[in-house]
Amino acid sequence: KQEVTQIPAALSVPEGENLVLNCSFTDSAIYNLQWFRQDPGKGLTSLLLIQSSQREQTSGRLNASLDKSSGRSTLYIAASQPGDSATYLCAVKGSYIPTFGRGTSLIVHP
Amino acid sequence: EAQVTQNPRYLITVTGKKLTVTCSQNMNHEYMSWYRQDPGLGLRQIYYSMNVEVTDKGDVPEGYKVSRKEKRNFPLILESPSPNQTSLYFCASSSPGLAGGGDTQYFGPGTRLTVL
Repeated sequence: KQEVTQIPAALSVPEGENLVLNCSFTDSAIYNLQWFRQDPGKGLTSLLLIQSSQREQTSGRLNASLDKSSGRSTLYIAASQPGDSATYLCAVKGSYIPTFGRGTSLIVHP
Repeated sequence: EAQVTQNPRYLITVTGKKLTVTCSQNMNHEYMSWYRQDPGLGLRQIYYSMNVEVTDKGDVPEGYKVSRKEKRNFPLILESPSPNQTSLYFCASSSPGLAGGGDTQYFGPGTRLTVL
């Protein structure tokens, strides 16, 4: 059964720092991997989707990479801002049932 | 505006009283899913649907029913709610994407359910 782990569970950084969030998974037979952002009490907002044939995706200050063979993905956030404070979730899809990590709770303080 | 809507957003009910949470999407997506989110357990899929009249169980289907009579709607039914179904529920939709594995998932705003 697929297991998804996100490290660290929580992170607090000063504004302007570049940071990396990690997502690891146990079964490399996946269709895609998706990174989401969740604000308190709100739904999930898709940030980036990486198909299994891709190595990375970029959107603005965000860059996500995928290494299927090692079962790892990273989300890189450049020049962090207080508005980036949220919980970041990765979801791995190997079938019709995606497996979510528990998330990394990020606080960016001014 | 492309969106997934859920109703109600908040619901407090009592054990055994049947309820339905509605979900609707306006993006003509084939795939729709229901999830529950619990502290310490993360997001878990309850049911999913690949198209009209095609549904299947996710990781935690016990105590739930779904139907997909129209492409845009995917209601979640709790025939006899129990306190352990107190949770935050999300509906999501996507297109099939490459090789049918699914494209970007769009989530609704969530329904917070409390069963007393």
